[in-house]
Amino acid sequence: KQEVTQIPAALSVPEGENLVLNCSFTDSAIYNLQWFRQDPGKGLTSLLLIQSSQREQTSGRLNASLDKSSGRSTLYIAASQPGDSATYLCAVGGRGTASKLTFGTGTRLQVTL
Amino acid sequence: DVKVTQSSRYLVKRTGEKVFLECVQDMDHENMFWYRQDPGLGLRLIYFSYDVKMKEKGDIPEGYSVSREKKERFSLILESASTNQTSMYLCASSYGLAGISVGSYNEQFFGPGTRLTVL
Repeated sequence: KQEVTQIPAALSVPEGENLVLNCSFTDSAIYNLQWFRQDPGKGLTSLLLIQSSQREQTSGRLNASLDKSSGRSTLYIAASQPGDSATYLCAVGGRGTASKLTFGTGTRLQVTL
Repeated sequence: DVKVTQSSRYLVKRTGEKVFLECVQDMDHENMFWYRQDPGLGLRLIYFSYDVKMKEKGDIPEGYSVSREKKERFSLILESASTNQTSMYLCASSYGLAGISVGSYNEQFFGPGTRLTVL
């Protein structure tokens, strides 16, 4: 059974810092990996999707990498801003119908002024 | 932009009531999902559907059923609500077919969530 772990569980950084969020998974036979952002009490916003054949994806200040063989992904946030404060969730899409996602429990990020 | 909407943001029900949670997506997605999110447990898949009238159990289907009569709409039903079903319920949809892993296939998009309280 796939297990997804995110470290650290919480992170506080000053504005302007570059930061890395980590995600690890136990079964490397995946179809894709997706990073989400969740604001308190809200739904999830998709940030980046990496298909299994890709090694990274970029969107603005965000860059996500995937290393299937080692079971790891990282989300890099450049020049962090207070508006980046949220919980970031990593989810791994398994093989099979509809590529069901298995979620990590998230990293809660606070960017301070 | 993909739009996934859920019928209610907040819902309060009594133990034993039958509860319907509705989800609608406007992007002609094949796949639709229902999750619940609880502190410390993360998101867990309840049921999903990969086509009209087709459904499969997720990790925690007990106490729930689903209905998908039209492609755009996926309903979650609590036959007899219990206090342990108090939770945040999230619906998602994705475009894709089994085995396809290119482009934006199988990228999941979420609705705003329904906070359900069962008293």
